[in-house]
This record gives sequence, C-alpha cells and structure tokens, in this order.
Amino acid sequence: KQEVTQIPAALSVPEGENLVLNCSFTDSAIYNLQWFRQDPGKGLTSLLLIQSSQREQTSGRLNASLDKSSGRSTLYIAASQPGDSATYLCAVRLNDYKLSFGAGTTVTVRA
Amino acid sequence: DAGVIQSPRHEVTEMGQEVTLRCKPISGHNSLFWYRQTMMRGLELLIYFNNNVPIDDSGMPEDRFSAKMPNASFSTLKIQPSEPRDSAVYFCASSIGPASEQYFGPGTRLTVT
Repeated sequence: KQEVTQIPAALSVPEGENLVLNCSFTDSAIYNLQWFRQDPGKGLTSLLLIQSSQREQTSGRLNASLDKSSGRSTLYIAASQPGDSATYLCAVRLNDYKLSFGAGTTVTVRA
Repeated sequence: DAGVIQSPRHEVTEMGQEVTLRCKPISGHNSLFWYRQTMMRGLELLIYFNNNVPIDDSGMPEDRFSAKMPNASFSTLKIQPSEPRDSAVYFCASSIGPASEQYFGPGTRLTVT
C-alpha cells in the first residue's frame, strides 16, 4: 500500500521567505504526482501535476520537483505572501486513476 | 467554466435519516470521483466512475453508502441510514481522463447528530 508522508505538518514563515514543502512516498512505481492547495473550509485547488517521466514542473512562483528513485517530491514557493497561507497536499497516483494523499502541510505566512 | 458543482454545501441531519449529496462535474470530463475527508483519516477515495460507469467502489465504507451516475453531468452519493460517524466533508472531483489532473468541488460538510 502506498504511504504518502508530508513533513513538517505545519510551517510558519515571514513574508518574502521561500517555502520548501516536502512529500515522500513508499512505492516509487508511480504514474504521476499532483500538488493541491486547500483553504480552510474550501475544496482542493490543483497547483501542479508532474508526470513520472518529468523531473520538475513550474507555474509562476511555484516549482515542483520529482525524484522517483528516492520517493520524494518537493514544492518550492518563491517569495511567499500572506495569500499563500493554506494547507498544501501532495497526492501520488499509483495506477491510472487512484490518488493517495498525504496529510498535508499547513503554511502560515506572517505579514 | 463554473468548475465542479456540489450541493448542498452544508447538511445537518439526524441519525437514521437518508442523505443525498449531489455533484455536477465539469463539462467534457469523463472521470468522476467521490472522496471523504476527516481529520482522522484524511482524504479517502470512495468511488470512481469512468464514462458514467462505476469502476472502483472498494472505498465505499459499507452497504449504507451508494452512488449513481445516471448521465455525464450528474452524480449522487446517498447514505441510508446515516450515522454520526458519517460526519465528514464529502468532495466530488472530475477529470478529463482517469489519470489527468483532478478538479475538486467545494465539498459538502455533513453533520449527523
């Protein structure tokens, strides 16, 4: 069974600092990996999807890397802003449809 | 595009009552997923439909739960009878294909008293 771990569970940084969020998974035979953002009381917003053949994916201030062999993905958020405060979830797709989610990292960006 | 639409947004019901949650996927998306989110268990896949056909319902907790997708633009998740332990946030998500990026609805917060 695929286990997905996100450490730390919570993170607080001052505005402007770069954020580094970690995701590890136990089974390296993944199809792809997706990062989501969840605001309190809201649904999940897809941020980035990285295919198993890719090493990284970028969107604006966000950059996600994938190292399948070591079972790790990292989400970088440059120059954090208070609006980046949310819970960030990593989800790994083993087969062609099923996502296994991590518990998330709750980020607070202090103004 | 309006995104994935779910209703109701909040539901409070008494134990033993029937609850029906509704979902309208994004137009053109062929895959639909129902998830449940709790503090204890995080996000769990309940059921997955592809082209309106249930493909994987192994995550449905017990016979009290059922889901249907009568057409490409509508799905329901029904709990009958409801129990307090069913209290959670239920999300519907859709994607163009099964392995494509999933788009989530705002969720239905269910409270069973």
